[in-house]
Amino acid sequence: KQEVTQIPAALSVPEGENLVLNCSFTDSAIYNLQWFRQDPGKGLTSLLLIQSSQREQTSGRLNASLDKSSGRSTLYIAASQPGDSATYLCAVRGRGQSGGSNYKLTFGKGTLLTVNP
Amino acid sequence: KAGVTQTPRYLIKTRGQQVTLSCSPISGHRSVSWYQQTPGQGLQFLFEYFSETQRNKGNFPGRFSGRQFSNSRSEMNVSTLELGDSALYLCASSWTGTSNTEAFFGQGTRLTVV
Repeated sequence: KQEVTQIPAALSVPEGENLVLNCSFTDSAIYNLQWFRQDPGKGLTSLLLIQSSQREQTSGRLNASLDKSSGRSTLYIAASQPGDSATYLCAVRGRGQSGGSNYKLTFGKGTLLTVNP
Repeated sequence: KAGVTQTPRYLIKTRGQQVTLSCSPISGHRSVSWYQQTPGQGLQFLFEYFSETQRNKGNFPGRFSGRQFSNSRSEMNVSTLELGDSALYLCASSWTGTSNTEAFFGQGTRLTVV
């Protein structure tokens, strides 16, 4: 059974700081990994998608890496801003229970990021 | 283009009642998945529909059911509501739901059972 762990559970940083969020997963048989952002009481916004054959993806100030063999991913946020404050969730896509052509996302519990002005 | 639309945004129901939630995926997307989010358990997979067929199912009791229509819109139904069903229910839309696809989520429906 796939398990996804995110460390730290919460992080508070001053504005302008560079930071790294960590995600680990127990089963390396994944197809892709997505990083999401969730604002309080809201849905999930997709930030970055990394296919299993890729090592990293970049979007603006965000850079995500994937080491499938070791079961790890990191999300690097450069020059953090107060508007980056949110919960960041990591999810891996793997086979569903019945195998075949069905897949599901397994999520970590998230990292609550607070960027202080 | 329009994103994933979930209705209603908020619901308050009484124990024992039933509820139906709706999800309209991004135009052209044929896969719709449902997730339950609670503070204690985080996000948990309920089920996935593709071309009107349930293709994948999580570990939830039979009180949780769903369906998908020919236009890819999906509904989720919970019967005999329990207090523990209070949660944010999120719907995810993707083109095919297969191995390399990206998932896009709606704003969710906040269900409160009293």
